[in-house]
Amino acid sequence: GAVVSQHPSRVICKSGTSVKIECRSLDFQATTMFWYRQFPKQSLMLMATSNEGSKATYEQGVEKDKFLINHASLTLSTLTVTSAHPEDSSFYICSAREWIASYGYTFGSGTRLTVV
Amino acid sequence: QQQVKQSPQSLIVQKGGISIINCAYENTAFDYFPWYQQFPGKGPALLIAIRPDVSEKKEGRFTISFNKSAKQFSLHIMDSQPGDSATYFCAAGALSGGYNKLIFGAGTRLAVHP
Repeated sequence: GAVVSQHPSRVICKSGTSVKIECRSLDFQATTMFWYRQFPKQSLMLMATSNEGSKATYEQGVEKDKFLINHASLTLSTLTVTSAHPEDSSFYICSAREWIASYGYTFGSGTRLTVV
Repeated sequence: QQQVKQSPQSLIVQKGGISIINCAYENTAFDYFPWYQQFPGKGPALLIAIRPDVSEKKEGRFTISFNKSAKQFSLHIMDSQPGDSATYFCAAGALSGGYNKLIFGAGTRLAVHP
């Protein structure tokens, strides 16, 4: 089946620094990738949708200059949290869709970001 | 229009019992209704999904019931086991058409007691 690899699984960074999270589709070409954020005991909140080769579409309330998304190839999307602050600490999860419309969504295993 | 309402927030079931989680949606453009299971510190894993052309789908101990006219769908877990203790999320999206995203319900924390 479809597999999405997300790296790193955990990262701790200092306040004010930037962190990059990678999301790779291992055995399929992902025309669309999604980034979610999940706070403890809460649901997954969609942050942005990215299509390969084009700019990401951000959900309302998500700062596009803070959460930089790059989807440069059909198998890789990256999320960079710029100038991270403690309130950015969260669980970030990516998801990918294959170009075949009938296929569903495959999720990565998530990245636990802690900003100290 | 984009909300997916899920209930209950938490559920306690005895081993061997039936766990039932309900969801309701508003957007009639949705044509894909998956259920995900999530353990602490892990990403969500697809359990079972249904399209609106059928009213029920069963896979092992997991069954989705779908009511298109009421815009509701539910997950039934038969013979619940302690290993089923996790958080369950319903979601809704569109596999066809322009609505290319998946919206999640608030989640249900299931505890199965031995």
